[in-house]
Amino acid sequence: GAGVSQTPSNKVTEKGKYVELRCDPISGHTALYWYRQSLGQGPEFLIYFQGTGAADDSGLPNDRFFAVRPEGSVSTLKIQRTERGDSAVYLCASSLVPGGGSYEQYFGPGTRLTVT
Amino acid sequence: AQSVTQPDIHITVSEGASLELRCNYSYGATPYLFWYVQSPGQGLQLLLKYFSGDTLVQGIKGFEAEFKRSQSSFNLRKPSVHWSDAAEYFCAVAARFNQAGTALIFGKGTTLSVSS
Repeated sequence: GAGVSQTPSNKVTEKGKYVELRCDPISGHTALYWYRQSLGQGPEFLIYFQGTGAADDSGLPNDRFFAVRPEGSVSTLKIQRTERGDSAVYLCASSLVPGGGSYEQYFGPGTRLTVT
Repeated sequence: AQSVTQPDIHITVSEGASLELRCNYSYGATPYLFWYVQSPGQGLQLLLKYFSGDTLVQGIKGFEAEFKRSQSSFNLRKPSVHWSDAAEYFCAVAARFNQAGTALIFGKGTTLSVSS
């Protein structure tokens, strides 16, 4: 596909359950970002991947959140023991990282997570 | 620490009237600045960006923004608003991890309504 895709588009889960959110970046983009957007707020950075490794995970709120990108393409954000406060739209973005430095990030449509 | 402030939570403009959305940033060095638009159910779309050079930047959909270092501002403007411009607008600054990767720090957004 031409853009960043995220699945599922909506996810409803019960408090305490485990969820996985998937992001498929634009082909060839080596940088991948996860953001979380709560109601009435701007997106907040969670984690950034350069290739397969997490270059910075300083935005992850606690150890219930974890993300992987094992082959340097698709990424999965994993949330354990979900809490109602985790309800938000989770956005994924990708960008090219050429030597010249292109900082434009392309965003997916997001996954709306609702924890009941 | 880097931050972005969008002072106006909600603005209503008549169709055909001019628009200015305010954005103030806090960043120690020369900032990389962005404006994104988010329509309901849609992902974030980049309107324009400022990296260096000319302080007046042109974007898509007839938008422009002016970088004013002395005022730490990057206000978004459009001379004549169309009903389809109704959306949420986010200003963002890039927080550089290293030469290759950046995370975006977003403001809380301004909701634009367009009246007929």
